[in-house]
Amino acid sequence: EDQVTQSPEALRLQEGESSSLNCSYTVSGLRGLFWYRQDPGKGPEFLFTLYSAGEEKEKERLKATLTKKESFLHITAPKPEDSATYLCAVRVRGGGADGLTFGKGTHLIIQP
Amino acid sequence: NAGVMQNPRHLVRRRGQEARLRCSPMKGHSHVYWYRQLPEEGLKFMVYLQKENIIDESGMPKERFSAEFPKEGPSILRIQQVVRGDSAAYFCASSPTSNYEQYFGPGTRLTVT
Repeated sequence: EDQVTQSPEALRLQEGESSSLNCSYTVSGLRGLFWYRQDPGKGPEFLFTLYSAGEEKEKERLKATLTKKESFLHITAPKPEDSATYLCAVRVRGGGADGLTFGKGTHLIIQP
Repeated sequence: NAGVMQNPRHLVRRRGQEARLRCSPMKGHSHVYWYRQLPEEGLKFMVYLQKENIIDESGMPKERFSAEFPKEGPSILRIQQVVRGDSAAYFCASSPTSNYEQYFGPGTRLTVT
């Protein structure tokens, strides 16, 4: 069974304190790994897609990386507005199947 | 360019009633996905539709739940005879093709009393 595990479940940082969120996956055949941000009461907001090991994507203070078993979301010098739940999801191989399998997320709090 | 639209945003139903959730995809998107998010749980895939076709309903409960995406109009997720366990946030996502990133709507929060 395809599995996505995110750690830690929750993370509290001081403003400016860099850190990384982890997403480990066990899937039959990866067709893409996705990172989303979700604010309370809202829908997930797309951040990045990664397709192959070694790939990296960057956007403002966020950088996503991918290996054969896990992905990291690095947050550099975060600000309070980066506080959110960050979700990792995978799309796996399979005829006609296009739904994403999500992890439970990492709840990130950045304190001023 | 409007994003994915869902309505209603909040829906309260008594046990045994029907719930209808609507989703209008982004302009130019013909692929629609429905997900459910239970409290303290991750997002769970329910069903994947293209215009007039259900492509993958492997995550849909076998009874009481149905989905459609007609040629004209929004996609509809229908829950018949709702029970308390159906209380959750239901999200719709859309994409222009398969094998592409999915863009989510704001969700419909269903409460069954």
